[in-house]
Amino acid sequence: DVKVTQSSRYLVKRTGEKVFLECVQDMDHENMFWYRQDPGLGLRLIYFSYDVKMKEKGDIPEGYSVSREKKERFSLILESASTNQTSMYLCASSDGGTANYGYTFGSGTRLTVV
Amino acid sequence: AQSVSQHNHHVILSEAASLELGCNYSYGGTVNLFWYVQYPGQHLQLLLKYFSGDPLVKGIKGFEAEFIKSKFSFNLRKPSVQWSDTAEYFCAVSTYNTNAGKSTFGDGTTLTVKP
Repeated sequence: DVKVTQSSRYLVKRTGEKVFLECVQDMDHENMFWYRQDPGLGLRLIYFSYDVKMKEKGDIPEGYSVSREKKERFSLILESASTNQTSMYLCASSDGGTANYGYTFGSGTRLTVV
Repeated sequence: AQSVSQHNHHVILSEAASLELGCNYSYGGTVNLFWYVQYPGQHLQLLLKYFSGDPLVKGIKGFEAEFIKSKFSFNLRKPSVQWSDTAEYFCAVSTYNTNAGKSTFGDGTTLTVKP
């Protein structure tokens, strides 16, 4: 019954490293999203993708990039990890095209940058 | 840009008490509204949603929410909470976007239910 899978539950990386967070969904959804979740700040949108190779910046894209080479897979890339990117990262997918019928979330990746 | 405000950061209730969590949003156009729940150690899951029609929507586990358009509100309610309702609750609003409907979330409300 697993629908959105994030490859790592916990990651520890060093400052300056290039970090890849992977997300795969098996529901054939068009839209995929990356959020970060921080205490007291809720969820903030980093990037989203509405089709293969198509992406759009969210509210806090600085320091991140994304890749969507296949419909089911959406990767978040931290080009040069910094300590302020320590956070819980959540991947989500949805159908509905330009609407939104509700997200299905992955379990999250807790990233610590030291 | 839209924004979502959840009035209570932390709510503590005893079992069988009634629950109401406030949510207000700012956006002048058509919106879809959601409540999500995150139980301890689990991933976020959809609790209920409103798109159109009856402004009173019912979700899983006895939760309901009422959309009041004039107040830009979408409050979550449950008549009698259980210890198992202890979780973090997020309100979210989604607008119709050129490319994809994306959601803006509130800061979340942590609910603690005492047995």
